Amino acid sequence: DAGVTQSPTHLIKTRGQQVTLRCSPKSGHDTVSWYQQALGQGPQFIFQYYEEEERQRGNFPDRFSGHQFPNYSSELNVNALLLGDSALYLCASSFGPPSGEQFFGPGTRLTVL
Amino acid sequence: QKEVEQNSGPLSVPEGAIASLNCTYSDRGSQSFFWYRQYSGKSPELIMFIYSNGDKEDGRFTAQLNKASQYVSLLIRDSQPSDSATYLCAVVPPGTYKYIFGTGTRLKVLA
Repeated sequence: DAGVTQSPTHLIKTRGQQVTLRCSPKSGHDTVSWYQQALGQGPQFIFQYYEEEERQRGNFPDRFSGHQFPNYSSELNVNALLLGDSALYLCASSFGPPSGEQFFGPGTRLTVL
Repeated sequence: QKEVEQNSGPLSVPEGAIASLNCTYSDRGSQSFFWYRQYSGKSPELIMFIYSNGDKEDGRFTAQLNKASQYVSLLIRDSQPSDSATYLCAVVPPGTYKYIFGTGTRLKVLA
């Protein structure tokens, strides 16, 4: 049973660039949530996708956008990168509403120079 | 007031002892509560979830929920050095789908 997978594992970008992170949910799951985790902090909710639509969004600027594909995989896009965007980006998958147990992928470590 | 609060620790316990980790939350209507374990450099791993007042046991782990006091805890019996990690509490506020995490409590189990 494949768990949640994310790519890439690590990424280094410079300020102003754009980045795309990818996530494949656990088998049988149809909902994907994205989180940002800064060092020493808990994960912060970015947004959640269900049925290819953004179901809920956290307090993140419009520079953060996403997409969910028909096979339930998802992408997180961040435009105009800032130094403060450096963090571990986590994808979590779950099954259906309302708030099924979420299982996290290994994360993508993004460094913005 | 933070939505979900945890003592950052570190909480140090000797091997074989009971570790008690606590979490308080601000939104009284919250219905779903989760505990995750996160090893350094790794992603969070789901340990327990609890939805109803009272205790829920799974192996060495017991989650306790008191909605009146807005308090959820995690007990780890017979603590092992391999339990040394950061434990994250997550709460789902009513009418939302998002998990609100605390900053986590770092647990150190001393051999």
